[in-house]
Amino acid sequence: DQQVKQNSPSLSVQEGRISILNCDYTNSMFDYFLWYKKYPAEGPTFLISISSIKDKNEDGRFTVFLNKSAKHLSLHIVPSQPGDSAVYFCAASAIGGSQGNLIFGKGTKLSVKP
Amino acid sequence: SQTIHQWPATLVQPVGSPLSLECTVEGTSNPNLYWYRQAAGRGLQLLFYSVGIGQISSEVPQNLSASRPQDRQFILSSKKLLLSDSGFYLCAWSVSVGVSGWYEQYFGPGTRLTVT
Repeated sequence: DQQVKQNSPSLSVQEGRISILNCDYTNSMFDYFLWYKKYPAEGPTFLISISSIKDKNEDGRFTVFLNKSAKHLSLHIVPSQPGDSAVYFCAASAIGGSQGNLIFGKGTKLSVKP
Repeated sequence: SQTIHQWPATLVQPVGSPLSLECTVEGTSNPNLYWYRQAAGRGLQLLFYSVGIGQISSEVPQNLSASRPQDRQFILSSKKLLLSDSGFYLCAWSVSVGVSGWYEQYFGPGTRLTVT
């Protein structure tokens, strides 16, 4: 059973507009969430994270929102740029969880059109 | 600063041949280390993790094994490759986030393995 779900396998957005990537989780013990960006044939790179004590974390064009009651988080990219085209993975973990292990979603492929 | 290396970058191997992928981390000591596989069109599957030399935990039953002969070295192996072992293999290490008990993982560049 998938504990972290990214239900949209792909998303297409026009350059300059907002990209919203969504992620849902089922395990109420998760309390730390991360977003990674992955280009083809490269390793994922860490983008931004949020802990359960916050509902928003911002870093430049990237903002992550957490809705604990809905077990939902989202990544907003504003404005979207063609270089943002990549696969985005959502991941979750819990304090005391197995040695820092993260549970990943299956990813959403973002395409930003010029 | 910390860096993580993986080699080779690409590998084409026939079915039944052995496999050895290597991962090394620089700039940190006693890291937690991880091997993931990303099959075509799929997410990241955790294969093994290690919290110290000689300590390996397997997440899924499979044709692969892992070893950690040195603190910053993690090796993924197979005695006989299967077609289903094809994929993109990623090594990662984790760092704790302050004193919170949370961790972030950082990935190597990956190895593209094609079993023919």
